[in-house]
Amino acid sequence: DAKTTQPPSMDCAEGRAANLPCNHSTISGNEYVYWYRQIHSQGPQYIIHGLKNNETNEMASLIITEDRKSSTLILPHATLRDTAVYYCIVRAPFRDDKIIFGKGTRLHILP
Amino acid sequence: DAGVIQSPRHEVTEMGQEVTLRCKPISGHDYLFWYRQTMMRGLELLIYFNNNVPIDDSGMPEDRFSAKMPNASFSTLKIQPSEPRDSAVYFCASSLFGSNQPQHFGDGTRLSIL
Repeated sequence: DAKTTQPPSMDCAEGRAANLPCNHSTISGNEYVYWYRQIHSQGPQYIIHGLKNNETNEMASLIITEDRKSSTLILPHATLRDTAVYYCIVRAPFRDDKIIFGKGTRLHILP
Repeated sequence: DAGVIQSPRHEVTEMGQEVTLRCKPISGHDYLFWYRQTMMRGLELLIYFNNNVPIDDSGMPEDRFSAKMPNASFSTLKIQPSEPRDSAVYFCASSLFGSNQPQHFGDGTRLSIL
């Protein structure tokens, strides 16, 4: 029972911002939004997470709508190395030790 | 800092043989997770441990699969006997205590059962 909905694939030109959407319309008040990515032949890699405020780190920015029913992961200047499957996950602290991965979005960065 | 270390990286064996996959979590991490990834089913959680104690093994496919964590720095996932449908990439991950903490994954073991 997936809690999130993501497009199966997206393209983005190298050097442009990649904006990856995620719908989580049934998110609860105490659930966080997490993003991971998986580059081919590697294990998933944590990117960022947030509750309701926008978050930024060295890898990406996370924009969460005011009603928290959707979010967008932004890679500000995409490079070919950002080609990967990106997973959006919702998870509640102190309840969900485990992560349930959906199918994610396959992001292709085009040269 | 060393990340999660898995061995072997690749394993090819004949069906019926015992397979043992190994994982060394990040030092100080309280949780350890075993996942399996296939094209058909994606990334599935098999079992996870908290402070070396198995918490949830509901994802373990059947009795042929077993996992142990004898100490905080080592875990094994064993398949006996192995079958061709067990072919997959198996990942181990670890995290600190606190469900807010991200999981850190190893590079996986690519298992092929002939």
